[in-house]
Amino acid sequence: DAKTTQPPSMDCAEGRAANLPCNHSTISGNEYVYWYRQIHSQGPQYIIHGLKNNETNEMASLIITEDRKSSTLILPHATLRDTAVYYCIVRVYSNSGYALNFGKGTSLLVTP
Amino acid sequence: DAGVIQSPRHEVTEMGQEVTLRCKPISGHNSLFWYRQTMMRGLELLIYFNNNVPIDDSGMPEDRFSAKMPNASFSTLKIQPSEPRDSAVYFCASGTEAFFGQGTRLTVV
Repeated sequence: DAKTTQPPSMDCAEGRAANLPCNHSTISGNEYVYWYRQIHSQGPQYIIHGLKNNETNEMASLIITEDRKSSTLILPHATLRDTAVYYCIVRVYSNSGYALNFGKGTSLLVTP
Repeated sequence: DAGVIQSPRHEVTEMGQEVTLRCKPISGHNSLFWYRQTMMRGLELLIYFNNNVPIDDSGMPEDRFSAKMPNASFSTLKIQPSEPRDSAVYFCASGTEAFFGQGTRLTVV
């Protein structure tokens, strides 16, 4: 799987949009971008994934650049409960199962 | 759906003892993952299964660790003998998007 680079930490004011960047310059054509987050003392939580088109769900939006070398996870209206470590991962998508390797992620602090 | 269920939630054991961690995946999920998390090493993938078959166990740290998935609804991770450096939170996840359980916090004294 391609390696990802994320800033170690970010701050965001409550109610504002949180934009979390991720670089994956060595991504292959068949690799998807996945985002997870881990709130303290809990298991990681799946957020969203995409291949090349922008994706949106009830939790977040994922913006992938046209060359697919970077992406941004957007939490449109951050709340205090969004404080967590956010992981960006690239992996091959398959129903036969492929490894999901976590890096160090970005620690997001949402402040009042 | 109750999600991925792990047991026990907490385990304290003495060095040298056998430890068995259990996981019940979400019904219908074909993939199952075991992870270990420590402050020093972060989240490490130990092994994953697809359709009850181990696909990649290269993350298993040593022969003291073993994992089984006898059927689609149950998996175990066993450590024998346990050592203090095995102290960590162990997570099980299932499904292609890897839905995680709440983890088992293992302390080996």
